[in-house]
Amino acid sequence: ETGVTQSPTHLIKTRGQQVTLRCSSQSGHNTVSWYQQALGQGPQFIFQYYREEENGRGNFPPRFSGLQFPNYSSELNVNALELDDSALYLCASSLGQVPRGYTFGSGTRLTVV
Amino acid sequence: KNEVEQSPQNLTAQEGEFITINCSYSVGISALHWLQQHPGGGIVSLFMLSSGKKKHGRLIATINIQEKHSSLHITASHPRDSAVYICAVTKYNNNDMRFGAGTRLTVKP
Repeated sequence: ETGVTQSPTHLIKTRGQQVTLRCSSQSGHNTVSWYQQALGQGPQFIFQYYREEENGRGNFPPRFSGLQFPNYSSELNVNALELDDSALYLCASSLGQVPRGYTFGSGTRLTVV
Repeated sequence: KNEVEQSPQNLTAQEGEFITINCSYSVGISALHWLQQHPGGGIVSLFMLSSGKKKHGRLIATINIQEKHSSLHITASHPRDSAVYICAVTKYNNNDMRFGAGTRLTVKP
């Protein structure tokens, strides 16, 4: 069984640009969660998708949006990038609407300059 | 005050030592997770607990629901255990996962 794959691994964007990050969930999982981890801090919950519908959202502005596809892979889109958006973005997949166990990807490191 | 607090923030140990990392939380939870994060960012899920104690090899995790406290123990520590260990909770009846700031463990040979 394959794990969670995130792409790209590293990305540099300019302030004001838009970015799309991608996540392929583990085989058999139908829930995807996204987290932002700033340097030296613990991850912060952005949102979660279950069967293509948003299933929970953390305290992030609307310029953070997401999508889940019928194959349960997912995208995180961030518009109007700010310098503070520089972070490691982690994706985790799980099974069920109220997940219990999670499989994490290795993350995408985004640098906004 | 963060909903999930870990201690210590940094920990240096000699190879072979017994290590304990503590986690306290202030919200109702459905599960508590211990995660391991290596340099570069990848996270590995070590344990998911809702009660009692779990053991995998040299790692032991315990949780006291009444006291809202969990501990991660590493017996016979090894340099390859060097990583950041993160405590996270899944809030009760919610899909929001809250994370501690992590404990950076360095095990010296």
